[in-house]
Formats: sequence, C-alpha cells, structure tokens
Amino acid sequence: EVQLVESGGGLVKPGGSLRLSCAASGFTFSNYSMNWVRQAPGKGLEWVSSISSGSTYMYYADSVKGRFTISRDNAKSSLYLQMNSLRAEDTAVYYCARDLAGLYYFDHWGQGTLAAVSS
Amino acid sequence: SSELTQDPAVSVALGQTVRITCQGDSLRSYYASWYQQKPGQAPVLVIYGKNNRPSGIPDRFSGSSSGNTASLTITGAQAEDEADYYCNSRDSSGNHPLYVFGTGTKVTVL
Repeated sequence: EVQLVESGGGLVKPGGSLRLSCAASGFTFSNYSMNWVRQAPGKGLEWVSSISSGSTYMYYADSVKGRFTISRDNAKSSLYLQMNSLRAEDTAVYYCARDLAGLYYFDHWGQGTLAAVSS
Repeated sequence: SSELTQDPAVSVALGQTVRITCQGDSLRSYYASWYQQKPGQAPVLVIYGKNNRPSGIPDRFSGSSSGNTASLTITGAQAEDEADYYCNSRDSSGNHPLYVFGTGTKVTVL
C-alpha cells in the first residue's frame, strides 16, 4: 500500500524556518517525481514545488521561490521542504504528493502537516 | 501564469447528474486531473488523463474535455459525493508555475 506521511509542521514566528519531511513507503520512491501542495485555512489548493525522481529538476511557485528548497533522499525514501523567511501567508496544511513524470497528475497524497506562521 | 476557473458551488439532487467545469488556457495543451476533498481530509484523485479512474473510484465519475474547458460529471450522485472538487493541469504558459489548480467547486447533494 502506498503511504506518504508528512511531519515537521508547527508554529513559527514570521521570518523563521521549518523543515517539512515526507516519508514514503509501499512503492519504489526513486521512480517518481514528488511534489508539495499547500492549502491555506479555508482556501483552495496551491502547488508549491516539484522535484524530479533523480533530483535533476526542481521547480517552485513564484510565491515561494528563493525562500523554500525542495530536496529528496531516495535511499531513505524521503522528501523534504526547507522553508525559510516564513510569512503569515505561508500558513497552510502542506501535503506531499507523488506523480509519475510526464503524466501530470498526483495519484497519491499524504494526510498533510500544518505549518502556522504567527507572532 | 495560467489560471483554472471553476464555479464556486453547485448542488445536485440525490441520484441526479451534475457537471463541474474547469476553464483555462492550459487545458488546450494538457488534460485536467480532478480531485475530491472532503472536510479535514487530503485530496483524492478521481479522474486523470482523457477519462481514467483510479482503482476504487466509482464509475459514476467521468471526465471530458473540449477546447479550454474540462468537465467532471457525476452521474447518479450519492450523499458521499458531497465534497470540494478541484481540477489541475500542467501549466502551459512557461516555466512557472509547473502546475496550476482550479479555484474549487463545492458540491452539495440535496
């Protein structure tokens, strides 16, 4: 069974940092591109970042470019999101989701982790 | 960057048919995928590609596309279909964003 389990969320002050993790199991992690998608409270889904299976390509939404860094460790079947210079508008549930490169859809999602930015 | 526009809310009588639409320029180049999200839960993929359902998704869910519009149809809506639905596609306007989500449609089953 495919499982994606996020962790690392919490409450942080504006300007602070958080590192989110996503532990994958039940599939060959190194075969899939991985993504972070977020959802602010009461709002819709927003794609945040993607990383190719071998970490060759990384993409970011304009809203997080220069502040967030996506990475992965295929040996540990884990995905990460380093979030720096956090702002109140980054408050959201962050989901990790997998996609098979070139197919452009997210077939499995984690349950999400809440990152709250507030003074 | 591209945008995908959805109607904010629709309602459907139990057992009837409802169509949810998603409009955007990127849909001229890429298929939409559709996600169902119930309160407090993660999104679930219901339709991808031309009209494909993942394992476990009932066949009352179907997808179609024409021009810049993609549609998700629920034929014979059930109470458990009440949820928010989001479309998504690869962006076609350049490098960013890589993906774009629709604004979401809240489906109420009466």
